[in-house]
Amino acid sequence: GQQVMQIPQYQHVQEGEDFTTYCNSSTTLSNIQWYKQRPGGHPVFLIQLVKSGEVKKQKRLTFQFGEAKKNSSLHITATQTTDVGTYFCAGGRTNFGNEKLTFGTGTRLTIIP
Amino acid sequence: DVKVTQSSRYLVKRTGEKVFLECVQDMDHENMFWYRQDPGLGLRLIYFSYDVKMKEKGDIPEGYSVSREKKERFSLILESASTNQTSMYLCATGQLLMNTEAFFGQGTRLTVV
Repeated sequence: GQQVMQIPQYQHVQEGEDFTTYCNSSTTLSNIQWYKQRPGGHPVFLIQLVKSGEVKKQKRLTFQFGEAKKNSSLHITATQTTDVGTYFCAGGRTNFGNEKLTFGTGTRLTIIP
Repeated sequence: DVKVTQSSRYLVKRTGEKVFLECVQDMDHENMFWYRQDPGLGLRLIYFSYDVKMKEKGDIPEGYSVSREKKERFSLILESASTNQTSMYLCATGQLLMNTEAFFGQGTRLTVV
């Protein structure tokens, strides 16, 4: 079946440093979504990318979708303590006309103040 | 505001018990999903449903079944709970042809003893 891998599994950064998580799918995706899960919380949608090579920005967050639509990345500039949490990518793939989301393994970000 | 409500936040069950996890959404979404979340493995799809009485196996359906008798309610059933089913269970919902975000419930932490 489809697999979506993320690296790294854990990342500890000093506050103010940058952070990047990478997402790779074994199959071509129709879209990629990114979610953030705060400690003790549930995943919350951040953004969706649909087009090959697409780049989107949300303040300090930059999201990219690869040209082959099989990989993606999330980059956070100048991390803050509010960025703490686990970041998941989720690859969309059409299944009998309906979209099935396969989540990555997640990257857990901790910030050292 | 979308609400996805899971019946219990925490649950402790004995090995061999039949367990029902309930999920209710109030946004009239067609698609509903059950995931389990385990450290290092991310969110893995157990079952999903894109219509009443319709269900599709996800990536790890063994040991689980589901029921969708009404559009707003999606139940996950553990026929005979085992200790390896101790996990966080997350219900999610989304619209048909889901090129939009998934909305998650708060999660049920199930412990099987």
